[in-house]
Amino acid sequence: AQKVTQAQTEISVVEKEDVTLDCVYETRDTTYYLFWYKQPPSGELVFLIRRNSFDEQNEISGRYSWNFQKSTSSFNFTITASQVVDSAVYFCALRSVFFSGSARQLTFGSGTQLTVLP
Amino acid sequence: DGGITQSPKYLFRKEGQNVTLSCEQNLNHDAMYWYRQDPGQGLRLIYYSQIVNDFQKGDIAEGYSVSREKKESFPLTVTSAQKNPTAFYLCASSIGPPNQPQHFGDGTRLSIL
Repeated sequence: AQKVTQAQTEISVVEKEDVTLDCVYETRDTTYYLFWYKQPPSGELVFLIRRNSFDEQNEISGRYSWNFQKSTSSFNFTITASQVVDSAVYFCALRSVFFSGSARQLTFGSGTQLTVLP
Repeated sequence: DGGITQSPKYLFRKEGQNVTLSCEQNLNHDAMYWYRQDPGQGLRLIYYSQIVNDFQKGDIAEGYSVSREKKESFPLTVTSAQKNPTAFYLCASSIGPPNQPQHFGDGTRLSIL
């Protein structure tokens, strides 16, 4: 019913480089929500951003920015001037509104391991 | 501080044994979730509960059981029927509506002896 693809399994950059994490999704629903989470080595997932399907405005929060393009079903995440503390696994996730049961729940991509080298 | 507490952090299971993972939240959230994470993979939904005394199977419920007798607690039992239980287990909670983000605990790493 729905699927999230994060094609980049691992990315390594040197500190201060910009890096973009790709997320492509599939859903039959016209109303849905997209999320990005960060999983540091400690294991807990930390919520970063939510975007609904009707809002295609890009968003910037400090060094983080998100580019949502409905035409290409993509919700990409860019970190500007990366830092060592950005090293983590980043997950993109999708949640539909109108499906029932477990299909209505959060669907995660497989994650992108970002390593920022000093 | 409000949050989700999972215990224990590490757990070892012997063959044929049932083990229970604890998840407690003090965020007053209605919905709670259990996910399984395997290396290099995303999170897969095991069970979820939208309200006390009710829960639903997720995508990989076989070999697992849950209960939701209290709003703040959602324990997960990994039964002996789960043949490959070694994984990282994450509990989450949310206010409920699909636009609300889920908040996660620190996880429990389960291994087989």
